[in-house]
Amino acid sequence: SQQGEEDPQALSIQEGENATMNCSYKTSINNLQWYRQNSGRGLVHLILIRSNEREKHSGRLRVTLDTSKKSSSLLITASRAADTASYFCATDAWNYGQNFVFGPGTRLSVLP
Amino acid sequence: GAVVSQHPSWVICKSGTSVKIECRSLDFQATTMFWYRQFPKQSLMLMATSNEGSKATYEQGVEKDKFLINHASLTLSTLTVTSAHPEDSSFYICSARAVTGELFFGEGSRLTVL
Repeated sequence: SQQGEEDPQALSIQEGENATMNCSYKTSINNLQWYRQNSGRGLVHLILIRSNEREKHSGRLRVTLDTSKKSSSLLITASRAADTASYFCATDAWNYGQNFVFGPGTRLSVLP
Repeated sequence: GAVVSQHPSWVICKSGTSVKIECRSLDFQATTMFWYRQFPKQSLMLMATSNEGSKATYEQGVEKDKFLINHASLTLSTLTVTSAHPEDSSFYICSARAVTGELFFGEGSRLTVL
């Protein structure tokens, strides 16, 4: 069964606006990772947040993790047209007998 | 940083032929490798988990005779799509887990079966 579930499934915003995507999961995890995938291309690793961390930043990206709610969010600030892609969260729970599992993804469209 | 290399990055083949995709961890030993499949506009679905020197563990609904996985060494796993058909056309991505526990992904291989 799917571990991560993103919402929204699709998001369309104007350039310069912020984009927020959420991810929920079901079991205990070792870490949660966010990936970007441009159409027809491979995965690009964005950020990894460990289960004992609550927030991480990387450039215009901000990720939060709430293990009590089993949820994470990815915020992209000052979005650009080049941010248009699908974004996936994935949970890694090797200590808990779970393989790495991806959510269904959020398709972000940033309009110029 | 750690790199996982997949080859070929894209392949076109005729229906009925077999195609092999390689996944190599370039600068680390991978205790476990994973194979994923992605249909257009969908997420990645885990197909199987392979551990070096042992048989792969397949997810429910994945035909083990159709998708042969070999993990012959700590740096190489191969996925062979046997007797490929158009419905096998997909994006296949491998990942490798280092002994530290971190997971690294390949760039993916796009298979088109005519």
